[in-house]
Amino acid sequence: GENVEQHPSTLSVQEGDSAVIKCTYSDSASNYFPWYKQELGKRPQLIIDIRSNVGEKKDQRIAVTLNKTAKHFSLHITETQPEDSAVYFCASTGNTPLVFGKGTRLSVIA
Amino acid sequence: DTAVSQTPKYLVTQMGNDKSIKCEQNLGHDTMYWYKQDSKKFLKIMFSYNNKELIINETVPNRFSPKSPDKAHLNLHINSLELGDSAVYFCASSRPGWRGNEQFFGPGTRLTVL
Repeated sequence: GENVEQHPSTLSVQEGDSAVIKCTYSDSASNYFPWYKQELGKRPQLIIDIRSNVGEKKDQRIAVTLNKTAKHFSLHITETQPEDSAVYFCASTGNTPLVFGKGTRLSVIA
Repeated sequence: DTAVSQTPKYLVTQMGNDKSIKCEQNLGHDTMYWYKQDSKKFLKIMFSYNNKELIINETVPNRFSPKSPDKAHLNLHINSLELGDSAVYFCASSRPGWRGNEQFFGPGTRLTVL
């Protein structure tokens, strides 16, 4: 089955700096890669997703890149703000149910 | 206007008891899920139903029994609760199937087994 590895597990950045979170997946049939943000005590919420026919997608300060050959995808947050502090999960699906990475706890220090 | 709702939000109970968690979605989705998030924040799928039919059962102990009376509801019943069942349980829903469809999560139910 699908296996998703996510790094780093924790990340601290200064406000205004960029943050990058990386994930790798194992199933070459995977074709949908969402990213979820979970604030403390809240539910996971989709922030951006990418499909396998696209290499990059951007939404304001958030971007996701996908390298199908290497089977990895990354989340990039620019100009980080304190409200970006949360746990971020990557996920992958194709012929299997959504498999989540183990999460990255991002702390943005003001 | 809550899209996916769960009750209760918190559940504290003794080992060996039986408890239920209810989930409802008003998004008109056909597919619903139960996820377990443990203390390390790992999110793992437990079950998925499509239009009231079970389509995924991820080797969950048979003490856990989901029930879908209609496609807007997916309840989770747990028998003989164990300490290891303590976790946050999230219900979610999506358009048919899981392939390439955003999943909308409920607020979660924090289960504590003493």
